[in-house]
Amino acid sequence: EAQVTQNPRYLITVTGKKLTVTCSQNMNHEYMSWYRQDPGLGLRQIYYSMNVEVTDKGDVPEGYKVSRKEKRNFPLILESPSPNQTSLYFCASRKGTPGGNQPQHFGDGTRLSIL
Amino acid sequence: AQTVTQSQPEMSVQEAETVTLSCTYDTSESDYYLFWYKQPPSRQMILVIRQEAYKQQNATENRFSVNFQKAAKSFSLKISDSQLGDAAMYFCACRGGGSNYKLTFGKGTLLTVNP
Repeated sequence: EAQVTQNPRYLITVTGKKLTVTCSQNMNHEYMSWYRQDPGLGLRQIYYSMNVEVTDKGDVPEGYKVSRKEKRNFPLILESPSPNQTSLYFCASRKGTPGGNQPQHFGDGTRLSIL
Repeated sequence: AQTVTQSQPEMSVQEAETVTLSCTYDTSESDYYLFWYKQPPSRQMILVIRQEAYKQQNATENRFSVNFQKAAKSFSLKISDSQLGDAAMYFCACRGGGSNYKLTFGKGTLLTVNP
């Protein structure tokens, strides 16, 4: 089954304790992306990756890091989490056809609470 | 830069009736794509319908159809014969083609379906 898998689904942690949210897709997609969803703000892009070792900032990259060492994985790293990073996070992937209309496939979301 | 505006934070509809959700966008891209995503209480992001900007014909998927007015930069979603399972948050999104892979979301419209 084609899917994007995020882990963990829920996490409560404390300020300053490094955490990683993993994302893996089994569709051999070139493009992957991270979003955060906050009430009244919709989804905002944090980082994206057009292929292995190619990443770039989205709209709200501050406080986050990513890496793309393998095509299937795109982890989101919070080096020193703060309460304003409490949010619902989504990983997404799609085929990287230039100019294509391929929709993004989303993971089921990760609810992070930073105390 | 792209912007997507959903002017209706909340909408309600009676079961079996028709409802239209509004979306306007702005983009400097000549080649772009438009999407509607549904987010039920399970938080999953589910693609409802997509439209290529170069196509004049409005997209249709079963009970879901769009009214795409390119000159007005409007992309509304019509849900016919509304069902209880249609109750969800709906997000309009725009993505540029070519080298611009960014997907920009509106803030969402919460749809309630009354029995």
